[in-house]
Amino acid sequence: RKEVEQDPGPFNVPEGATVAFNCTYSNSASQSFFWYRQDCRKEPKLLMSVYSSGNEDGRFTAQLNRASQYISLLIRDSKLSDSATYLCVVNMNRDDKIIFGKGTRLHILP
Amino acid sequence: NAGVTQTPKFQVLKTGQSMTLQCAQDMNHNSMYWYRQDPGMGLRLIYYSASEGTTDKGEVPNGYNVSRLNKREFSLRLESAAPSQTSVYFCASSTGAMNTEAFFGQGTRLTVV
Repeated sequence: RKEVEQDPGPFNVPEGATVAFNCTYSNSASQSFFWYRQDCRKEPKLLMSVYSSGNEDGRFTAQLNRASQYISLLIRDSKLSDSATYLCVVNMNRDDKIIFGKGTRLHILP
Repeated sequence: NAGVTQTPKFQVLKTGQSMTLQCAQDMNHNSMYWYRQDPGMGLRLIYYSASEGTTDKGEVPNGYNVSRLNKREFSLRLESAAPSQTSVYFCASSTGAMNTEAFFGQGTRLTVV
């Protein structure tokens, strides 16, 4: 089983809709979790960290479920500019090994 | 405010040639990473270094070597390039502390013919 797994998509979503992605991780000792965004194979950039209590940043909400070993990202009122690949990232922290999922492609349709 | 700098940005190699990809960060980060990205494969960890003087294998280390020259620099070497190593290579760094993000360089597009 891969350490971090995501549905690759693509998700084709009309502008203004809500879309959610999930990601599962295999190592129960993982400590830090993130969502990154990547555009057109440029370098990935941090979208948001994922905290145990869940966290929100504007239209974006991230949740962590340690018992089931998954994290989620919810995007509300989607914009055309949200079209990108969203990468789930897990840091083992014990040895600072950072593993990426394959990414989920999102296309927002006008 | 350079952040993470990778060189070169583009490179074409012939099969069997060797080369070193350079990476430097100016953020005083402890941890550094090398990833490769292929279509449909996401970023795969090649090697990483949790601190100066240490290196560890990632998911796909075969065919590569690394050197953590000092705290700032982490180089990736291909001793005998193969077409399967055609990819985009990203270097990243982080403080190593919990819940801190990794910062990426702009990538090196390598083609092996």
